[in-house]
Amino acid sequence: GAVVSQHPSRVICKSGTSVKIECRSLDFQATTMFWYRQFPKQSLMLMATSNEGSKATYEQGVEKDKFLINHASLTLSTLTVTSAHPEDSSFYICSVSSRANNEKLFFGSGTQLSVL
Amino acid sequence: AQSVTQPDIHITVSEGASLELRCNYSYGATPYLFWYVQSPGQGLQLLLKYFSGDTLVQGIKGFEAEFKRSQSSFNLRKPSVHWSDAAEYFCAVVTGTASKLTFGTGTRLQVTL
Repeated sequence: GAVVSQHPSRVICKSGTSVKIECRSLDFQATTMFWYRQFPKQSLMLMATSNEGSKATYEQGVEKDKFLINHASLTLSTLTVTSAHPEDSSFYICSVSSRANNEKLFFGSGTQLSVL
Repeated sequence: AQSVTQPDIHITVSEGASLELRCNYSYGATPYLFWYVQSPGQGLQLLLKYFSGDTLVQGIKGFEAEFKRSQSSFNLRKPSVHWSDAAEYFCAVVTGTASKLTFGTGTRLQVTL
């Protein structure tokens, strides 16, 4: 079964609203969580890396105030897209690794965000 | 629903030996195909991708992959493995108009000297 739960799988929102995406590890405590964004028919873009007990490290070009990442607990990370705009429409996917699992990477099922 | 299968969870090869990592997908149409590598403690790095055209794709670090429609496969190859290639390798597929990305479960490569 799935070891990483990502919710919601699909969300449609109005421009200017905020959207929260959850990523939860089900069977283990996550050492590191990664958030990726994927543009249509293109490769993944790493947005940020979140280690337990510390703030997220954002990649160059990713707006911290726009994409708020909270590693709330050892099993939960949230990505909040604030004041969403149509250009934020994309596929967002989280991945999780754990020292307990030799840092093997597990992926969430992704969230398709559409901003109208 | 589309799915991606990487049959080998763990592979060990000697340095200098050739490598082939298997990837199979299930999808009716031709998908967009990717291979990613994850080194310990780091995020994913794109090795190569296939969208259309020549079915043999060249990537970074000396890797190549071949798309075989008849076998629904996109196997990753390297003629001579280096110790620094030890990592986890993920095959991924983009399918459908929603461009949902689906990953395989990964293959961990160990290189012996």
